[in-house]
Amino acid sequence: DQQVKQNSPSLSVQEGRISILNCDYTNSMFDYFLWYKKYPAEGPTFLISISSIKDKNEDGRFTVFLNKSAKHLSLHIVPSQPGDSAVYFCAASDQTGANNLFFGTGTRLTVIP
Amino acid sequence: DSGVTQTPKHLITATGQRVTLRCSPRSGDLSVYWYQQSLDQGLQFLIQYYNGEERAKGNILERFSAQQFPDLHSELNLSSLELGDSALYFCASSPGLVNEQFFGPGTRLTVL
Repeated sequence: DQQVKQNSPSLSVQEGRISILNCDYTNSMFDYFLWYKKYPAEGPTFLISISSIKDKNEDGRFTVFLNKSAKHLSLHIVPSQPGDSAVYFCAASDQTGANNLFFGTGTRLTVIP
Repeated sequence: DSGVTQTPKHLITATGQRVTLRCSPRSGDLSVYWYQQSLDQGLQFLIQYYNGEERAKGNILERFSAQQFPDLHSELNLSSLELGDSALYFCASSPGLVNEQFFGPGTRLTVL
């Protein structure tokens, strides 16, 4: 049972425009959410995170929004750059203290120059 | 470069065999995690070690086992391999029991 879902397997955006990647989760015990970026032949790289006590976290061009009532989060990249082309994974951890991550299946972002 | 190293990078073996994947965490990191990524799937958590002790278990098969050694490196042992075990295996580490994990480049296992 996939507790973290990324329903869009791919997304194409023009350079300079906004990229919006979406993620939904089902487990209400999740209290910490992360986004990872993955290039081919490399491991995932941590990008940005948000705690469930916040609804927005910003780091440079990257902003993550959390809507707890809808169990939905999104990653905004503004402006998008060709180097942002990668697979983006949403991940969540719960309150059990084990801090292992539950990952979505990823969204492949292509930024067109 | 995350500072997490994994060896080997690629591994090709036959069904029924046993393999060992190795992970060296970032300097100072006490927690090591193992994840499996099958084709078109997200990463599935297998097991976590913290300072040598097993901390959490996910969807790890009984044919799989892991350990973390005193120098904090970790090994994932996969035995009686089946075709469906073909996947990317990632190791990650973190300083303690925190959420931001740093991933190695992965080991691609192919079972023929």
